[in-house]
Amino acid sequence: TQLLEQSPQFLSIQEGENLTVYCNSSSVFSSLQWYRQEPGEGPVLLVTVVTGGEVKKLKRLTFQFGDARKDSSLHITAAQPGDTGLYLCAGAMASGGSNYKLTFGKGTLLTVNP
Amino acid sequence: EAQVTQNPRYLITVTGKKLTVTCSQNMNHEYMSWYRQDPGLGLRQIYYSMNVEVTDKGDVPEGYKVSRKEKRNFPLILESPSPNQTSLYFCASSTTGGPYEQYFGPGTRLTVT
Repeated sequence: TQLLEQSPQFLSIQEGENLTVYCNSSSVFSSLQWYRQEPGEGPVLLVTVVTGGEVKKLKRLTFQFGDARKDSSLHITAAQPGDTGLYLCAGAMASGGSNYKLTFGKGTLLTVNP
Repeated sequence: EAQVTQNPRYLITVTGKKLTVTCSQNMNHEYMSWYRQDPGLGLRQIYYSMNVEVTDKGDVPEGYKVSRKEKRNFPLILESPSPNQTSLYFCASSTTGGPYEQYFGPGTRLTVT
């Protein structure tokens, strides 16, 4: 069972356009992270959101955590070719003591054309 | 520089020939894990370790072994690789206690023929 549904799976846009990627679940998460992965490399953390309703901005990227901590969105303003990559969301659930379970969405492959 | 290193980066092998992929981190992280990434299936956790000598199965542990004898190292062992283990493998580490941010290695692309 896929706990984190990420959409869209693929997105191809022109430079300068805006876009939003969604990450949805029926589960409540302790934190939710967004990563970007470029071909041939490991995922790199972009941001972590912890509080319901939290909004974080990273230059042209805006991340929002849902009020109930079950969903998140990533909005990119005026996309650039350098934004091209695979965007992954990951939800963390504490499971007793210092243990936790991290579940990844399947990712959104973004291509920004010049 | 804080980092997670993996070796080798690329490996082509034959069915049944035992192999080990090494993983090392220099951030003194307690938590380490292994993932495989396959098209259409995303990142799936193979094994994880909360600390030295403490390991547990992830979502897809069949055909893999791990050990955690030192805090910094977490090797992945395939004792009898099969073609369905052809994949891109990532090691990751993090602190425990939240918010569970992962630091990933550069990946190991394994092909089993």
